[in-house]
Amino acid sequence: GIQVEQSPPDLILQEGANSTLRCNFSDSVNNLQWFHQNPWGQLINLFYIPSGTKQNGRLSATTVATERYSLLYISSSQTTDSGVYFCAVTAGNNRKLIWGLGTSLAVNP
Amino acid sequence: ETGVTQSPTHLIKTRGQQVTLRCSSQSGHNTVSWYQQALGQGPQFIFQYYREEENGRGNFPPRFSGLQFPNYSSELNVNALELDDSALYLCASSLAGTAYGYTFGSGTRLTVV
Repeated sequence: GIQVEQSPPDLILQEGANSTLRCNFSDSVNNLQWFHQNPWGQLINLFYIPSGTKQNGRLSATTVATERYSLLYISSSQTTDSGVYFCAVTAGNNRKLIWGLGTSLAVNP
Repeated sequence: ETGVTQSPTHLIKTRGQQVTLRCSSQSGHNTVSWYQQALGQGPQFIFQYYREEENGRGNFPPRFSGLQFPNYSSELNVNALELDDSALYLCASSLAGTAYGYTFGSGTRLTVV
């Protein structure tokens, strides 16, 4: 089945720094979402982005479907950005989300 | 527009007991999926319900079962609880046939002792 790999696994930033998180997937996908999971477990949908580029405030994402990767950009990071960032995809007729292992981000004041 | 709500938020059960978790889907969504997330791991797909029928299942034993009701809400039932069932259980709703993604609830944290 399709494999989803995220990098880096862990990231520590100083408040105000920028970062790029990467998601590679091994086959064509028809859905790709980026989620932020806060320390209380809530998964927040950041982007639905099977292809192209989207921006939402300090966050933006780009998916290059032909090259099977997606990038999540965080600019001017804040302590509230801390948590785990997951990339999840669906492929073919299967609607189950297949997840990467996540990037654990800590933003220090 | 209401989001996905799950209940209870926390639960402690004894090994061998049975548990029922509940999920109300986001307004306008007709599909519900359940995921299990162990500590430090990504969520694992349990099953999905559409039109009150199971519409895909992950690698979970039959003691994990579910229901979807006419109002699209859903239940996850786990029988004969084991210690390894301790996890965060997440419910996600979506609208079948559309190009939109999934919306997740806050989860139920189940501890089996």
